[in-house]
Amino acid sequence: EPEVTQTPSHQVTQMGQEVILRCVPISNHLYFYWYRQILGQKVEFLVSFYNNEISEKSEIFDDQFSVERPDGSNFTLKIRSTKLEDSAMYFCASSGDAYEQYFGPGTRLTVT
Amino acid sequence: GDSVTQMEGPVTLSEEAFLTINCTYTATGYPSLFWYVQYPGEGLQLLLKATKADDKGSNKGFEATYRKETTSFHLEKGSVQVSDSAVYFCALSLKAAGNKLTFGGGTRVLVKP
Repeated sequence: EPEVTQTPSHQVTQMGQEVILRCVPISNHLYFYWYRQILGQKVEFLVSFYNNEISEKSEIFDDQFSVERPDGSNFTLKIRSTKLEDSAMYFCASSGDAYEQYFGPGTRLTVT
Repeated sequence: GDSVTQMEGPVTLSEEAFLTINCTYTATGYPSLFWYVQYPGEGLQLLLKATKADDKGSNKGFEATYRKETTSFHLEKGSVQVSDSAVYFCALSLKAAGNKLTFGGGTRVLVKP
């Protein structure tokens, strides 16, 4: 069964450093999403991406964040200058119909 | 704004017990409703869904009925197993909001043998 994959599973970085989180969505899906879950809190929407552009973003998704689909398979989330409060589990999701979203296993980002 | 409220856990049950997790929502439109499950160390998996009033979603013995009049989507299972131990998330999406998922806080369920 096709699945969404994410790398790395755990990333440790120092405050102020740039990080890139990678996702490989399900191959025939057209809609891509990033969510995050700070420990003990709700899963929060960050951004959605369709047709090579951002279709919606939350207030969390400020200028420090960017997304890209650099080739036909990867979907990346970049945080330019990490802050302590960026520490969270980041989930990528993809959808073929913008209705059912399939999630990856997540990347745990720890900012020290 | 749109929101989902679900009962706080943890919920601790014995094997073969009946499980109910309450979920209510507030939405500006007519949402689609979902239950996701997160097993220990894994990502979120879609468990079941419903798109319109009175629809019943079902999967793996779990059921939930879309109740528009009470804005609820309670999850039920008649006889839980130890393998059902997980965190369960209720969520909604609205086409007008780009189909982004809005999640409840999650309910941890622990089933003891």
